[in-house]
Amino acid sequence: EAGVVQSPRYKIIEKKQPVAFWCNPISGHNTLYWYLQNLGQGPELLIRYENEEAVDDSQLPKDRFSAERLKGVDSTLKIQPAELGDSAVYLCASSSGRNTEAFFGQGTRLTVV
Amino acid sequence: GESVGLHLPTLSVQEGDNSIINCAYSNSASDYFIWYKQESGKGPQFIIDIRSNMDKRQGQRVTVLLNKTVKHLSLQIAATQPGDSAVYFCAESKPSGSARQLTFGSGTQLTVLP
Repeated sequence: EAGVVQSPRYKIIEKKQPVAFWCNPISGHNTLYWYLQNLGQGPELLIRYENEEAVDDSQLPKDRFSAERLKGVDSTLKIQPAELGDSAVYLCASSSGRNTEAFFGQGTRLTVV
Repeated sequence: GESVGLHLPTLSVQEGDNSIINCAYSNSASDYFIWYKQESGKGPQFIIDIRSNMDKRQGQRVTVLLNKTVKHLSLQIAATQPGDSAVYFCAESKPSGSARQLTFGSGTQLTVLP
C-alpha cells in the first residue's frame, strides 16, 4: 500500500513568488493534516481536514497561505507571496479516524531566497 | 499555553547500550501519547504509543513509560543500533471532532556511536 505522497520534494523560489505543494493521502483516510517543520523543531499544525472540510485552520496564516482539499482526497497548500521566513519543510499526514495513528509523507523542503 | 517539550536536545550513546529519551507535557486533557522517529530527509514515523490509562507499554526493543503525576513521558530503546540514529519526537494527542489533535515537542537528536 502506498504511503502519503507529497510533491515536489524540494522547491527553491525567490521571495514574493507563489508556490504550491501537493499531497495525496493514504487511500481511505478521511483526515488530512498539513504541518510546518522548522529546522530542529517539531511539526506545527497548519490545517486539518475532515474529508473536504477544514476543521482546524487556526494556525494557518490566512493572509498568504491557503489550502484546499477538493473531493476530500488530494490536497494542495499554497503560499502567495512567499517570504524568507517561510523556508521550512511542509509535511502532510493522514489518518483514518480517532483511534488510529497519523502517517506522514516525506515532506516538501521549501527554500525562499 | 499547551506545549510538549523535551529535556535534552541531543543524546549520544554507544552501540549496544540502552537509550532513554525524556519528554514533558503540559496538557492534562491529552489521552494519548506517541513517539515518532524522524530520519534525515524523511517524515516522522510512528514508533509506539501509550494511552493515558496506562503507565508502561512495550514494543520491539522500545518501551514507553508514562508518569501522569509529573506529566513525564520517556522512550527507552534497548541495545541501541546505528539505525536508531534519528530525531525522536514525543507528541500528545486528544480527541478533536472525529479525529485527533496532535501536538509535537521539539525533538531529541539521538546519535549512536560505534
